Amino acid sequence: AQKITQTQPGMFVQEKEAVTLDCTYDTSDQSYGLFWYKQPSSGEMIFLIYQGSYDEQNATEGRYSLNFQKARKSANLVISASQLGDSAMYFCAMRGFSTSSGSARQLTFGSGTQLTVLP
Amino acid sequence: DAGVTQSPTHLIKTRGQQVTLRCSPISGHKSVSWYQQVLGQGPQFIFQYYEKEERGRGNFPDRFSARQFPNYSSELNVNALLLGDSALYLCASSLVRGVNNEKLFFGSGTQLSVL
Repeated sequence: AQKITQTQPGMFVQEKEAVTLDCTYDTSDQSYGLFWYKQPSSGEMIFLIYQGSYDEQNATEGRYSLNFQKARKSANLVISASQLGDSAMYFCAMRGFSTSSGSARQLTFGSGTQLTVLP
Repeated sequence: DAGVTQSPTHLIKTRGQQVTLRCSPISGHKSVSWYQQVLGQGPQFIFQYYEKEERGRGNFPDRFSARQFPNYSSELNVNALLLGDSALYLCASSLVRGVNNEKLFFGSGTQLSVL
């Protein structure tokens, strides 16, 4: 079984500043993937970034980077140069790949962090 | 290209009724998954279908069922609705299945309210 913990229910950041959203995970799988999604008030989940457990380098996608610390089982999202449009809910999620996990390959989500960017 | 489309966007039902939610995946995507998102929580996995076969089921009662059609669209059915079924129901599609970095593309969801 997998578990994702996001301990920050809400975060505030000033426009143009960087912000880090925390995510810790727990899994018995040796191979797994970590994802971050953004959910604006419209409801749609928007994919931001992916990190594989065996990837040697931290993932980056434009202003998004993932600070992956495998030994600590953390996968924090860093947003640089925050914009007003970044205000949304952010979810960390994971997918395990062991055969014992079954074949569904579903994502397990955390409870999310509401980010508010201040002008 | 159109993204994942879901209908209806909002739905109000009473306890004991039945509901059908619909999802059209992105063109070319053969895998469809359903998630339930209760207010204030992250989405929870309900079903995954790939090539019209059920490939996984989450921890939901048998009142929940789904199917995938030859055109890869999907329906989620919930019978004997309970107040606790009130949630945002998200559909997601993906191009391939079983690869480590399989990325899910989500629709905007159907907001179901059970009174």
